[in-house]
Amino acid sequence: ELKVEQNPLFLSMQEGKNYTIYCNYSTTSDRLYWYRQDPGKSLESLFVLLSNGAVKQEGRLMASLDTKARLSTLHITAAVHDLSATYFCAAMINYQLIWGAGTKLIIKP
Amino acid sequence: EAGVVQSPRYKIIEKKQPVAFWCNPISGHNTLYWYLQNLGQGPELLIRYENEEAVDDSQLPKDRFSAERLKGVDSTLKIQPAELGDSAVYLCASRGSEPDKYNEQFFGPGTRLTVL
Repeated sequence: ELKVEQNPLFLSMQEGKNYTIYCNYSTTSDRLYWYRQDPGKSLESLFVLLSNGAVKQEGRLMASLDTKARLSTLHITAAVHDLSATYFCAAMINYQLIWGAGTKLIIKP
Repeated sequence: EAGVVQSPRYKIIEKKQPVAFWCNPISGHNTLYWYLQNLGQGPELLIRYENEEAVDDSQLPKDRFSAERLKGVDSTLKIQPAELGDSAVYLCASRGSEPDKYNEQFFGPGTRLTVL
């Protein structure tokens, strides 16, 4: 079964803290995507990871990919309130984009 | 450059009524997707177009859902008749046709459908 699992599904944290969101996928994938979605808004592409060991960083967010473990992580450093959103990972498997259920992140001042 | 445009943004209808959603992709994007997103879940693909051809409609409930992309640009998704369980956000996305190792999909704001 083609499956992408994220955890946690819900995360409430204080500003200034670090945390990691995990994304596991069930079978070989060509690409791994991270998207952000604000309430009532569109999905915004954050990162595209293509190969084993790929690491990309944008501001306080860093994404990495381990294709052998079929695992991607999204690390948040020194969180700020503006990063509150729902984060989705999606894996390209057999030309289909298979989505995780999303991680709702709330960052409290 | 304009992004993916969808309309309407919100729609409230009674069950058994028909409803239609419209999407205009990013200019030059040949690939167009319709997704359904339930609350608290990731998007689920309904149909994918390459130009005007529906190349993957395996997850489209064809008894009540239909879609078209007649000129290979904008697209319409229709539900007839709508059921209570169809309440969701309907997302449209597009992807460029040029060879691109990233193959990113760009999403519209979605249409939130409420069926009463």
